[in-house]
Amino acid sequence: GAVVSQHPSRVICKSGTSVKIECRSLDFQATTMFWYRQFPKQSLMLMATSNEGSKATYEQGVEKDKFLINHASLTLSTLTVTSAHPEDSSFYICSARDYDRGADNSPLHFGNGTRLTVT
Amino acid sequence: GQNIDQPTEMTATEGAIVQINCTYQTSGFNGLFWYQQHAGEAPTFLSYNVLDGLEEKGRFSSFLSRSKGYSYLLLKELQMKDSASYLCAPMDSNYQLIWGAGTKLIIKP
Repeated sequence: GAVVSQHPSRVICKSGTSVKIECRSLDFQATTMFWYRQFPKQSLMLMATSNEGSKATYEQGVEKDKFLINHASLTLSTLTVTSAHPEDSSFYICSARDYDRGADNSPLHFGNGTRLTVT
Repeated sequence: GQNIDQPTEMTATEGAIVQINCTYQTSGFNGLFWYQQHAGEAPTFLSYNVLDGLEEKGRFSSFLSRSKGYSYLLLKELQMKDSASYLCAPMDSNYQLIWGAGTKLIIKP
């Protein structure tokens, strides 16, 4: 089945620094990837849709200058949390849909997530 | 608006059967997904329904009634490893998944 790899799985950084999270589709090409954030006991919140070769589409309330998304190839999207603050501490998860094996309603496959802690 | 209603938490006994209900309201509808999420992990895909009726996949079955905006996930022969959150996620007219907080299922021996 479709596999999405996310790295790192855990990161601890100091306030004010930047953190980059990578998301790779291992056995399929992903023209579109999705970045989610999840706080404890809350639902997944879509942050942005990453589009290969073009600008990401951000959800309302998500600062595009703070959460930089780059989707430079068909198998890699990166999310950079810039000038991180403690309130950015959360579980970040990327996902992608294998369009080659299905249409727009094919299931999302998730990476394993990144637990970010900002001290 | 778009919303999902699932019980916050359910408890069941190992070996038993449990049904997790979900009602939803979306702008358009392109099917409904069920995902399993263990604590501290990312969701994993369980099932997809786009037509009314029951879809069976091993110990798990999922049911959909589009006219009622209702779905359920049925888990049989419960095992301790089934302790997790179960997320009902309908897909709207833009093929966007709508996420609720899910149902935390606790399995007791």
